Amino acid sequence: GNSVTQMEGPVTLSEEAFLTINCTYTATGYPSLFWYVQYPGEGLQLLLKATKADDKGSNKGFEATYRKETTSFHLEKGSVQVSDSAVYFCALSEPGSARQLTFGSGTQLTVLP
Amino acid sequence: NAGVTQTPKFQVLKTGQSMTLQCAQDMNHEYMSWYRQDPGMGLRLIHYSVGAGITDQGEVPNGYNVSRSTTEDFPLRLLSAAPSQTSVYFCASSSGGEGQPQHFGDGTRLSIL
Repeated sequence: GNSVTQMEGPVTLSEEAFLTINCTYTATGYPSLFWYVQYPGEGLQLLLKATKADDKGSNKGFEATYRKETTSFHLEKGSVQVSDSAVYFCALSEPGSARQLTFGSGTQLTVLP
Repeated sequence: NAGVTQTPKFQVLKTGQSMTLQCAQDMNHEYMSWYRQDPGMGLRLIHYSVGAGITDQGEVPNGYNVSRSTTEDFPLRLLSAAPSQTSVYFCASSSGGEGQPQHFGDGTRLSIL
């Protein structure tokens, strides 16, 4: 079956530090890959996505590249802000799966001023 | 745009009680899903629907029922609540196109005593 493995948290960084959250996946087909963000007390919001190998998703300074050869979709940001403090989820969706998402366990990020 | 609306936001039940979590979307999405979020486990799929009148089980369906009589609504029923069902529940919807993201509600925090 499908699975998503995320870097365990929590992660604590100082403002303007570089962020990497690792994500690797197992899938039987060619999935679409997503990063979702959850701010305290809220639902999940799509941060970025990539639908095929070598695609780069980007949004709000965050980036992730779909690497089929390493089955990875690592999230990066060059300079984090306090407002980036949230829980980040990596997820995949396989074609023909009724678009259902398989999630990683989530990584809590705290950015200190 | 309201997007995906979940009610109630919080609920406390006693073991053995029943209740229905409501979910409504105004985006005319065909795909709707229910997930539960537990610490350290990400989100797990309970039930999903690919259109009115069609539902199917996800990863953790036991103890939950769903129905989909309209495109807009997808209620989740707990027939006899158990402490193991204490969780945060999220409803999501999607247009179903390849690589299209799911849109999440703000969640229902449910405690079973």
